[in-house]
Amino acid sequence: SYVLTQPPSVSAAPGQTARFTCEGNSIGSLNVNWYQHRPGQAPVLVVYDDTARPSGIPVRFSASSSGDTATLTISRVEVGDEADYYCQVRDRSGYDPDWVFGGGTKLTVV
Amino acid sequence: QVHLQESGPGLLKPSETLSLTCDVSGYSVASGYYWGWIRQPPGKGLEWIGSIFPGLSTYHNASLKNRLSISVDTSKNQVSLRLTSVTATDTALYYCASRTTLVNGGSFDFWGRGTLVIVSS
Repeated sequence: SYVLTQPPSVSAAPGQTARFTCEGNSIGSLNVNWYQHRPGQAPVLVVYDDTARPSGIPVRFSASSSGDTATLTISRVEVGDEADYYCQVRDRSGYDPDWVFGGGTKLTVV
Repeated sequence: QVHLQESGPGLLKPSETLSLTCDVSGYSVASGYYWGWIRQPPGKGLEWIGSIFPGLSTYHNASLKNRLSISVDTSKNQVSLRLTSVTATDTALYYCASRTTLVNGGSFDFWGRGTLVIVSS
């Protein structure tokens, strides 16, 4: 089965840039989605299909994907961005498609 | 605005059957592209459980396949999950999620806030 690997934690100061990586075999050939998850709240889709932002998501959130690595970038980090961030793909390589999540990266705003 | 609200028993004993429902408002379950269940065990990340394309097909996480069924009830506008023979490893926060517009990459655009399920004797 397909595996997505994310570092457990990232830290950034307010106003700085935070980058989250998501590694998977030829992930650049898949569409990557990213979610923000604050404790006790519903996860929020922040990027879909590699680079698209849903309505209401600030332009500070951007993403890219190539080769074996996808990256979510948050520019001008705010205290309210502190959350867990998950990457996700739909792997269609098997008999049935699987939705796969990475292990998540915790953003600490210091 | 699409709103999803999960509900369930809260506490189960090992070997029992878990039944969860997801009440959907602001959108017809029959119109959605797909609906999914995702869970988060305590202290761990998100795990996909399964997805249903209404009237078409259902896909399950292979690790749960023999114990899991997912369905939609268009008359009640609900999505349901049934997981048999639960064990302590099924203890988790269970989320219902949707995809309401056509996209390429299998994302979920709306999520509920989750319902906690504890399996304990």
